Amino acid sequence: QSALTQPRSVSGSPGQSVTISCTGTSSDVGSYDYVSWFQQYPGKAPKFMIYHVTKRPSGVPDRFSGSKSGNTASLTISGLRAEDEADYYCCSYAGNYIYVFGGGTKVTVL
Amino acid sequence: EEQLVQSGGGLVQIGGSVRLSCAASGFTLGNFWMTWVRQAPGKGLEWVANIRDDGSGKYCVDSVKGRFTVSRDNVKNSLYLQMDNLRAEDTAVYYCARDYSDSGPDLDCWGQGALVTVSS
Repeated sequence: QSALTQPRSVSGSPGQSVTISCTGTSSDVGSYDYVSWFQQYPGKAPKFMIYHVTKRPSGVPDRFSGSKSGNTASLTISGLRAEDEADYYCCSYAGNYIYVFGGGTKVTVL
Repeated sequence: EEQLVQSGGGLVQIGGSVRLSCAASGFTLGNFWMTWVRQAPGKGLEWVANIRDDGSGKYCVDSVKGRFTVSRDNVKNSLYLQMDNLRAEDTAVYYCARDYSDSGPDLDCWGQGALVTVSS
């Protein structure tokens, strides 16, 4: 049950795109299309942003998109806005009803 | 409005116990799997436990096995996390979350969090 690997931080200017990677193994990300992404502001509960690798819950802007290749999932934020500055976490199903989170990535809008 | 309201937590001694509660409103808890997630101060999110919609299956991270017990009372629309034999490393904000499908982690509704501080 090792944590998924995310970069500690990424940054971009308003209007640019940033991509956050989430690397797991063939036992989690590589085996299941059950990867979710969460946005978290300091002191707040996480918010559900992406599920089943690519799907967006109702109300999430289409600037947020997800993808996966092999053992690595990715979250892309297009048209970066100031309010996107937050921490982002990936989470994958790992079999046997177990979930594993990534270490989190801080997105900074320059 | 669908929401989860948490209670419990606080300061507890090493080796002590505490129970967290999570009350659902605006939806029927019994229709969903539920999940506990924790976040140590300044650290990332960590999955703690899942429980099936009818309570028939419970799953947890290795580090809490034998010490934490997840349960639910669907009549009371409530979820619980009983935490025993607490260690300093269990200090964290604990969140309950609704898993809207059984092919998760589709955690679409979260409680506000409850801080548990374990200290000597």
